[in-house]
Amino acid sequence: DARVTQTPRHKVTEMGQEVTMRCQPILGHNTVFWYRQTMMQGLELLAYFRNRAPLDDSGMPKDRFSAEMPDATLATLKIQPSEPRDSAVYFCASGDRNSNQPQHFGDGTRLSIL
Amino acid sequence: AQTVTQSQPEMSVQEAETVTLSCTYDTSESNYYLFWYKQPPSRQMILVIRQEAYKQQNATENRFSVNFQKAAKSFSLKISDSQLGDTAMYFCAFIRNFGNEKLTFGTGTRLTIIP
Repeated sequence: DARVTQTPRHKVTEMGQEVTMRCQPILGHNTVFWYRQTMMQGLELLAYFRNRAPLDDSGMPKDRFSAEMPDATLATLKIQPSEPRDSAVYFCASGDRNSNQPQHFGDGTRLSIL
Repeated sequence: AQTVTQSQPEMSVQEAETVTLSCTYDTSESNYYLFWYKQPPSRQMILVIRQEAYKQQNATENRFSVNFQKAAKSFSLKISDSQLGDTAMYFCAFIRNFGNEKLTFGTGTRLTIIP
């Protein structure tokens, strides 16, 4: 089965460091989503792309977060500088109008900022 | 904007029993889709069941079924013959269209199946 691949699976780093999370969407899917999951806020959308163009990044703190799709096989989410409140699980999902489910999720990156 | 509410933060049930998880939502749309996702400790997001709003028949997938009440904007999940592997967080989710819209999630219900 085709899967969304996220790396790294876990990341522990110190406050102030740059963090980059990567996502390989399912081949042929034209939309990519970044969600963040925390105990307090639950699952919230940070940003999403269609055909590599950003459609909505209103959920993302612009001063420190950035999301890009350098090509159709790679999406990145960067945090610089990282803060302890960024500790969360970050999910990437990809979707296609013709799929049997709206979005296919990766296994997430668990990020801990010390 | 759409909202999804899950009013049961935690539930527990004995193995082999039946349990129902509640979900309500708010939307002005007439066509949309509703889902239940399961998130086990491995943190994978696993689609359990889906319901199209235009379908009156409630969706069923093996031991999982829903009670979809469109007028009441209610979408509950029933798990029959519960198994230890059903222990997980369960999220109710809403989307208007496939492909280019975000999923709106409820806050989740932590379900524990007791041996």
